[in-house]
Amino acid sequence: DVKVTQSSRYLVKRTGEKVFLECVQDMDHENMFWYRQDPGLGLRLIYFSYDVKMKEKGDIPEGYSVSREKKERFSLILESASTNQTSMYLCASSWTVRSTGELFFGEGSRLTVL
Amino acid sequence: DQQVKQNSPSLSVQEGRISILNCDYTNSMFDYFLWYKKYPAEGPTFLISISSIKDKNEDGRFTVFLNKSAKHLSLHIVPSQPGDSAVYFCAASDQTGANNLFFGTGTRLTVIP
Repeated sequence: DVKVTQSSRYLVKRTGEKVFLECVQDMDHENMFWYRQDPGLGLRLIYFSYDVKMKEKGDIPEGYSVSREKKERFSLILESASTNQTSMYLCASSWTVRSTGELFFGEGSRLTVL
Repeated sequence: DQQVKQNSPSLSVQEGRISILNCDYTNSMFDYFLWYKKYPAEGPTFLISISSIKDKNEDGRFTVFLNKSAKHLSLHIVPSQPGDSAVYFCAASDQTGANNLFFGTGTRLTVIP
């Protein structure tokens, strides 16, 4: 089975702190994604990566950056956390760029910024 | 602007009855549609999909219907079971693939025993 593992299920951080969310997938997928899920807004794409060291902005990249140094690992970075970044963060991976859209999600990381 | 809309935030159904979850989209370039199911404290899991060349796809108790002219799709669950209680997300993709996967806001289904 495909496994996408997010390093932290729950985090509580203070405003202004730097936050790292880590994601690892074990199926050699080319594409990796970071979404945030908020009530009434669904899943919104923050960043995605289709190859090592490659990244593209999604719908809501402001306040976030990403890093993909190895194919299996995709990190989301909040340089200076703010309260409006309190959310559920979901990492996902998929096959090639021309894949039909099926994503494999991790269990999510619930971040609270105080 | 939301390109994929799920106008019903919640739905309650008796066990054994049919659940119908609806989804509308605005972009005529979408050609592949998916439904994901999400339990609390878990990531979404893929449930069923349909290509725009079809109008129906069935997998066990789950059937997705696509009406391209109305830009509408629906997920039917028959019979509904308490374990189906979850949030269901509709998603759509255009020909560029997974990089452009647009999600709806979700519908919380509660199946009452």
